[in-house]
Amino acid sequence: GEDVEQSLFLSVREGDSSVINCTYTDSSSTYLYWYKQEPGAGLQLLTYIFSNMDMKQDQRLTVLLNKKDKHLSLRIADTQTGDSAIYFCAESWNSNSGYALNFGKGTSLLVTP
Amino acid sequence: KAGVTQTPRYLIKTRGQQVTLSCSPISGHRSVSWYQQTPGQGLQFLFEYFSETQRNKGNFPGRFSGRQFSNSRSEMNVSTLELGDSALYLCASSPTGGSTDTQYFGPGTRLTVL
Repeated sequence: GEDVEQSLFLSVREGDSSVINCTYTDSSSTYLYWYKQEPGAGLQLLTYIFSNMDMKQDQRLTVLLNKKDKHLSLRIADTQTGDSAIYFCAESWNSNSGYALNFGKGTSLLVTP
Repeated sequence: KAGVTQTPRYLIKTRGQQVTLSCSPISGHRSVSWYQQTPGQGLQFLFEYFSETQRNKGNFPGRFSGRQFSNSRSEMNVSTLELGDSALYLCASSPTGGSTDTQYFGPGTRLTVL
């Protein structure tokens, strides 16, 4: 698929909010996802949003979706040092026979004390 | 439920060899997808299997192949390894692989080609 765009780095102080932005490409995507990857680990599903929603809140996580601009954001409230990781935005893309995930390159979040 | 498991976790091979990686999905999940993660290209979709059939394939050469068994476990094979095949190979499972499913990932197999 075409490129899903994310900024590469974000640094925040512990206790502040983090906002990670993503621009996706496929307006027909059913779901949009946020995954977290810690060093040496696989991908952990953080949250997802259905394409007909504008916002979804899940504890410290808030996802905002602007379908007109194909813009997705993930806000982490009260960011902790344990939130330091790479965050991937992903859209589902459909082929004739199935679907797969199209990922951005990931945003490295560094949380400093 | 146990998560997605992948074996082995680490592998070192030399150019020209072939390698087989294994993935066991979450119990009850029938769709298994494979992704390659490299620093340069990021996460790229390899292929997806459902009920022992490959349903979807990414843009990779024929050296990359896979299969799925009747218990939904999947293997992927890379023949004639190249240095550029060094990557983290991630497997993901979902109940049906449909657009309303979410995919759950394993820890990956780190392949190093020397």
